[in-house]
Amino acid sequence: AQSVTQPDIHITVSEGASLELRCNYSYGATPYLFWYVQSPGQGLQLLLKYFSGDTLVQGIKGFEAEFKRSQSSFNLRKPSVHWSDAAEYFCAVGAKGNAGNMLTFGGGTRLMVKP
Amino acid sequence: KAGVTQTPRYLIKTRGQQVTLSCSPISGHRSVSWYQQTPGQGLQFLFEYFSETQRNKGNFPGRFSGRQFSNSRSEMNVSTLELGDSALYLCASSWLSGDNQPQHFGDGTRLSIL
Repeated sequence: AQSVTQPDIHITVSEGASLELRCNYSYGATPYLFWYVQSPGQGLQLLLKYFSGDTLVQGIKGFEAEFKRSQSSFNLRKPSVHWSDAAEYFCAVGAKGNAGNMLTFGGGTRLMVKP
Repeated sequence: KAGVTQTPRYLIKTRGQQVTLSCSPISGHRSVSWYQQTPGQGLQFLFEYFSETQRNKGNFPGRFSGRQFSNSRSEMNVSTLELGDSALYLCASSWLSGDNQPQHFGDGTRLSIL
């Protein structure tokens, strides 16, 4: 069975500082990987996705993520955090092939941004 | 293009009642998935519907059911509500099913059980 671990429940960074959110997955092969962001009272917004190819993927809002097969990781990064980035971030894994659209989510990392 | 629309946004029910939640996908999307979000269990997959057929089902009791209509709109029903069913229920739509098409989420229905 697939699983996702986000080791950091809360992270606080200063505005303008760099950010890295960790994500480790467990899956039998190379999975599909996603990062979503959720602001209070809202649904999930897709930041970026990895399906295959280049292991460094660019997303919206200046985010990027790097897939590392050897470490089973898909960490999210941003070089300079803005106050509006404060939200909860979820890493998710999906099965390849004709298995439908079921996503398995990590527990989330809540990001707080200090002025 | 309008996004995924979930109604109602908030709902209060009492134990033992049943509830129906509605989801209208993005126009042209044929796959609709449902997720439950709670502080204790996080985000958990409930089920996916594609072309009016249930494609996948998560590990939830039979009290949780759903359906999809010919216009791709979907409803989720929970019968005999329990306190533990209090959660944010999120709906997501995508154009197709399979190979994990990127999913677009609605803002959810917050269900509170008294």
